Amino acid sequence: GESVGLHLPTLSVQEGDNSIINCAYSNSASDYFIWYKQESGKGPQFIIDIRSNMDKRQGQRVTVLLNKTVKHLSLQIAATQPGDSAVYFCAEKPGNQFYFGTGTSLTVIP
Amino acid sequence: DSGVTQTPKHLITATGQRVTLRCSPRSGDLSVYWYQQSLDQGLQFLIQYYNGEERAKGNILERFSAQQFPDLHSELNLSSLELGDSALYFCASSVGGAWDTQYFGPGTRLTVL
Repeated sequence: GESVGLHLPTLSVQEGDNSIINCAYSNSASDYFIWYKQESGKGPQFIIDIRSNMDKRQGQRVTVLLNKTVKHLSLQIAATQPGDSAVYFCAEKPGNQFYFGTGTSLTVIP
Repeated sequence: DSGVTQTPKHLITATGQRVTLRCSPRSGDLSVYWYQQSLDQGLQFLIQYYNGEERAKGNILERFSAQQFPDLHSELNLSSLELGDSALYFCASSVGGAWDTQYFGPGTRLTVL
């Protein structure tokens, strides 16, 4: 199967700092990538996506960077807030299926 | 609230049994996806339906089956349950396009004893 790996299983940041969550993907045919946030006891929530014809996409306080050369995806969260504490998944989509990473747990320290 | 509903929220059953999980997509969404999330793995894509037809198949076991009904709700049937089937099962829905955002339901936690 596909392999979508996360570089760090846990990440702790101070409130107000920027957070960077990294993700490596394995399939060079993947043309669509998504970041999801999952809070405890809830289903994943869409944060931001990017297509393979882009290198960068910005949302509200979040930016996704795509480096196709090294098959790397990152999620940057600006001015991290306590409400950002959650598990973050990246997902890639080669063809019809989505493949998800195991997740990075982000803890925001007040 | 994503607009996707799943029932039941929790399900406890024994090995060898069969269960049915139900999902109602967001109003207007034609695609339904099923995922399994266990403690030692991330989300695993199981299957996708679009307007009643199977569109994509992932790592779904032969003991598992799904369908989408004319009213667009979907059911995931799990049979001959094993301890390893204990997991969270999520349903997601989208409008139906290849890059449409998927909205996830709250999940059903299945415990097989």
